[in-house]
Amino acid sequence: LAKTTQPISMDSYEGQEVNITCSHNNIATNDYITWYQQFPSQGPRFIIQGYKTKVTNEVASLFIPADRKSSTLSLPRVSLSDTAVYYCLVTFGNTGFQKLVFGTGTRLLVSP
Amino acid sequence: NAGVTQTPKFRVLKTGQSMTLLCAQDMNHEYMYWYRQDPGMGLRLIHYSVGEGTTAKGEVPDGYNVSRLKKQNFLLGLESAAPSQTSVYFCASSKREDQETQYFGPGTRLLVL
Repeated sequence: LAKTTQPISMDSYEGQEVNITCSHNNIATNDYITWYQQFPSQGPRFIIQGYKTKVTNEVASLFIPADRKSSTLSLPRVSLSDTAVYYCLVTFGNTGFQKLVFGTGTRLLVSP
Repeated sequence: NAGVTQTPKFRVLKTGQSMTLLCAQDMNHEYMYWYRQDPGMGLRLIHYSVGEGTTAKGEVPDGYNVSRLKKQNFLLGLESAAPSQTSVYFCASSKREDQETQYFGPGTRLLVL
């Protein structure tokens, strides 16, 4: 059964580093792990994507261990504007149309 | 370049009524998707399309129909709305070669009484 698991919520303070983990057993071997950010009353938007090891962009870092059974989104020095829901998106299956599954989301609240 | 747009933004229906949600994208993407989002359940795929004239069922297709007559448009229909279909509906699109990078519309909030 294709399933991803994320913590329901996390709390942080401005300036701290936040790490959000998504667990995903048996994902496709050759596909990306992608993270999205969603603000209230908006659609999700792409943050970062990776296949293995570590990926960094201007917004976040993504850590993927060798077994690819989980991934961790790292937000350095969060601000109030990082308060949002964060979703991981993974692919299950290696044939035909990829079975893309979103995690249930992690609600991050950043306080002053 | 508007990206992905959805019409309407909000709608109230009575049980048994029908309606169509419209999604349009101007990025020339091959793939398009309809999701519903409910509290605590994340995004669940209703139907998707890999090209003009083709559609397929996702995780929760019952009670919905779709059509993709033009590459840029993807329509989601509710033939006989039920209270269980109260949700926020998101449309998304992607390139064929990068399905993990999806571009989402702003959503349609639907309330079925």
